[in-house]
Amino acid sequence: DGGITQSPKYLFRKEGQNVTLSCEQNLNHDAMYWYRQDPGQGLRLIYYSQIVNDFQKGDIAEGYSVSREKKESFPLTVTSAQKNPTAFYLCASSMVTEAQDTQYFGPGTRLTVL
Amino acid sequence: GQQLNQSPQSMFIQEGEDVSMNCTSSSIFNTWLWYKQDPGEGPVLLIALYKAGELTSNGRLTAQFGITRKDSFLNISASIPSDVGIYFCAGQLRSQGNLIFGKGTKLSVKP
Repeated sequence: DGGITQSPKYLFRKEGQNVTLSCEQNLNHDAMYWYRQDPGQGLRLIYYSQIVNDFQKGDIAEGYSVSREKKESFPLTVTSAQKNPTAFYLCASSMVTEAQDTQYFGPGTRLTVL
Repeated sequence: GQQLNQSPQSMFIQEGEDVSMNCTSSSIFNTWLWYKQDPGEGPVLLIALYKAGELTSNGRLTAQFGITRKDSFLNISASIPSDVGIYFCAGQLRSQGNLIFGKGTKLSVKP
């Protein structure tokens, strides 16, 4: 099946540890995105990438890092510098055309810092 | 970062009633999207709008791209229990590739 997969579904981490969240898509989409969702708030953009080996910071990039070595994959690392990492993390992807930039989301990863 | 104003924040309705929610922005958008999110899941795209004034339906859902390009609404007719969830609007600014999201409308439906 075509789609976006995120793993793991639930992740627990001790304070001070880095952790990497996986995002893979087989939709042949050019662009990929990472969002953070907190209760009662909308989605906030962490990082995005419109082409392999290139990515840009979103609104809340501090304490996070990404890589885009392959078109299909866009892993997100939550570093120990992120002060409040407990949240629901969503990955999305889209084609990038002049007319349309519709984003499709994965199922999400819930990260809890113990 | 900029956010859209989405209202209402929450709605409690009876099964069979119609629902209306909207989003407004101070900026012009060239794309409006409406998503539904179930608890613990990723948002699912409901309707995408690409032209000012466009009115698009998807089953019992109807959405419109405001003529000023600064607003959009979503209507749900004859609501059913599975309509429960959080509905998000999202807009794309002309000069950027990323989406701006509203804070969501939480819909509860009483059987």
